Amino acid sequence: ETGVTQTPRHLVMGMTNKKSLKCEQHLGHNAMYWYKQSAKKPLELMFVYNFKEQTENNSVPSRFSPECPNSSHLFLHLHTLQPEDSALYLCASSQGGRHSGANVLTFGAGSRLTVL
Amino acid sequence: QQPVQSPQAVILREGEDAVINCSSSKALYSVHWYRQKHGEAPVFLMILLKGGEQKGHDKISASFNEKKQQSSLYLTASQLSYSGTYFCGTENGQNFVFGPGTRLSVLP
Repeated sequence: ETGVTQTPRHLVMGMTNKKSLKCEQHLGHNAMYWYKQSAKKPLELMFVYNFKEQTENNSVPSRFSPECPNSSHLFLHLHTLQPEDSALYLCASSQGGRHSGANVLTFGAGSRLTVL
Repeated sequence: QQPVQSPQAVILREGEDAVINCSSSKALYSVHWYRQKHGEAPVFLMILLKGGEQKGHDKISASFNEKKQQSSLYLTASQLSYSGTYFCGTENGQNFVFGPGTRLSVLP
């Protein structure tokens, strides 16, 4: 496979459930990102990892817990979510370094999350 | 601070031209343009790193006016495949943020 792959593509969960989103990149990139995309809202940066180390946490609630075991894999663990957390969660990767305008992002197709 | 995009939405007939604008209240170091088709991942179109830089790919081009803190994306002789939501992403030296998007619909 090439590019950035996200699983599952669709997820429905109750507020008391625990689930995880997975992202895998086959581009040899060193930085990985989680973005949230809600209806009629801009892409919101959630987390950035560079060389497996978290370099940005954009004031995300603790019910979202990221994990980056290596430069190719990124997880987003979800627990006790709220209905307003329903959104498309996009993973992206880039060459690495600071999250700046010089880093071109390659996005996955996203995981559509619905919280009941 | 999030950049502003205009228009919010535009509908075109195939073969018509369109311009999408992206502006910021802060000085810009770079501008990215991405396109996202419905149900798909956003795809990188181009990056402009210098003031006054212009780039083009096929019939899609962009300009970056550093002094005016804005960038414009030009779509010439639009094709059906151009339909989607276009996002600009801007870096102001402190952070990189995306605009709210412009929804472009090209009709036959």
